[in-house]
Amino acid sequence: DQQVKQNSPSLSVQEGRISILNCDYTNSMFDYFLWYKKYPAEGPTFLISISSIKDKNEDGRFTVFLNKSAKHLSLHIVPSQPGDSAVYFCAASGSNYQLIWGAGTKLIIKP
Amino acid sequence: EAQVTQNPRYLITVTGKKLTVTCSQNMNHEYMSWYRQDPGLGLRQIYYSMNVEVTDKGDVPEGYKVSRKEKRNFPLILESPSPNQTSLYFCASSLSRGGLAGVGEQYFGPGTRLTVT
Repeated sequence: DQQVKQNSPSLSVQEGRISILNCDYTNSMFDYFLWYKKYPAEGPTFLISISSIKDKNEDGRFTVFLNKSAKHLSLHIVPSQPGDSAVYFCAASGSNYQLIWGAGTKLIIKP
Repeated sequence: EAQVTQNPRYLITVTGKKLTVTCSQNMNHEYMSWYRQDPGLGLRQIYYSMNVEVTDKGDVPEGYKVSRKEKRNFPLILESPSPNQTSLYFCASSLSRGGLAGVGEQYFGPGTRLTVT
């Protein structure tokens, strides 16, 4: 039973346009959410996070939105750049120390 | 330079031959964790440690052991590896909990690709 789901295995976006990556979760006890980015042959790197007391967090070109009632979060990248091509993972955490990860979405930025 | 190091980066071994993958961090982080990454499954947590001598099971602990005798090191031990443990393994560390709760942003090592034949 996947508690964190990224239903799109891949996404292709034109350079300069907005990329929207989605993530759904089932466990209402999750209260902290993170996005990580991963290039081939490297470990994931932290991108942005949001706690459940907020519905939006912004960092430069990256914005994460949280809809608790829908148990849904999304990552917006504006504008998309070639270097954004990577696999993006959504992860969720609750009151314990475990981090539950989605399967990832491969983002391809087309020139 | 702040980093998480893992060794070896690549390992091919045979079923039943004990092996250890080392992990070390130089950021004085309390929290450390091991993950395995398999196609279509994302990252799954194997074990984690909240501090020295404190470890706990993640989602997929079967067939693995860990120890945390020093803050900087968190080795992953496969006592009797089997082919279903063929995977890409990542070690990660973080300073503390983030937000209301949770483990905060984690720093990952470069990964260890293990093949068990």
